[in-house]
Amino acid sequence: EDQVTQSPEALRLQEGESSSLNCSYTVSGLRGLFWYRQDPGKGPEFLFTLYSAGEEKEKERLKATLTKKESFLHITAPKPEDSATYLCAVQAGDSGGSNYKLTFGKGTLLTVNP
Amino acid sequence: NAGVTQTPKFQVLKTGQSMTLQCAQDMNHNSMYWYRQDPGMGLRLIYYSASEGTTDKGEVPNGYNVSRLNKREFSLRLESAAPSQTSVYFCASSALRNTEAFFGQGTRLTVV
Repeated sequence: EDQVTQSPEALRLQEGESSSLNCSYTVSGLRGLFWYRQDPGKGPEFLFTLYSAGEEKEKERLKATLTKKESFLHITAPKPEDSATYLCAVQAGDSGGSNYKLTFGKGTLLTVNP
Repeated sequence: NAGVTQTPKFQVLKTGQSMTLQCAQDMNHNSMYWYRQDPGMGLRLIYYSASEGTTDKGEVPNGYNVSRLNKREFSLRLESAAPSQTSVYFCASSALRNTEAFFGQGTRLTVV
């Protein structure tokens, strides 16, 4: 069974204080790893897709990296507007209908104080 | 650019009542999904439609039915609502199987 574990559950940072969020996963044949941002009362907003170990993607203050067992979301010099819940999801590559399923972690609630 | 639109945004049902959650996407995506999000459980897949004309069960399909009305629309029906179905429901769509999914704003459903 595919498993995704995110840590920490919650993280408080001061504005400008860089840090990383972790997403460790167990799947049989990774097709893709996805990072989403979710604001309170809203749907998840897509950030990045990573497909293979060693791949990196960047967007503004965010950088996502991928290894064979985990992914990191690095936040450089965060601002209060980066406060949100960050979700990680994986899609497995086994045959049949299950390869349409995204398995989500429970998320990391990030709070950036001014 | 609307993306994925869900209706209604909020709903309160009594146990045993039925209702249909509507979802429409304007991105010409092939695949559509229904998820539920519960505190401490994360997002879980209820049903999905890989392409127009097909639907399949996800992780937690019991108590739900779906209809892929056309390429744009995918509805979720609760035939006899139960308090355990109190949740936030999200519809999503993706162009292809292993590409990113785009989510709607959610429907907050309470069953009393």
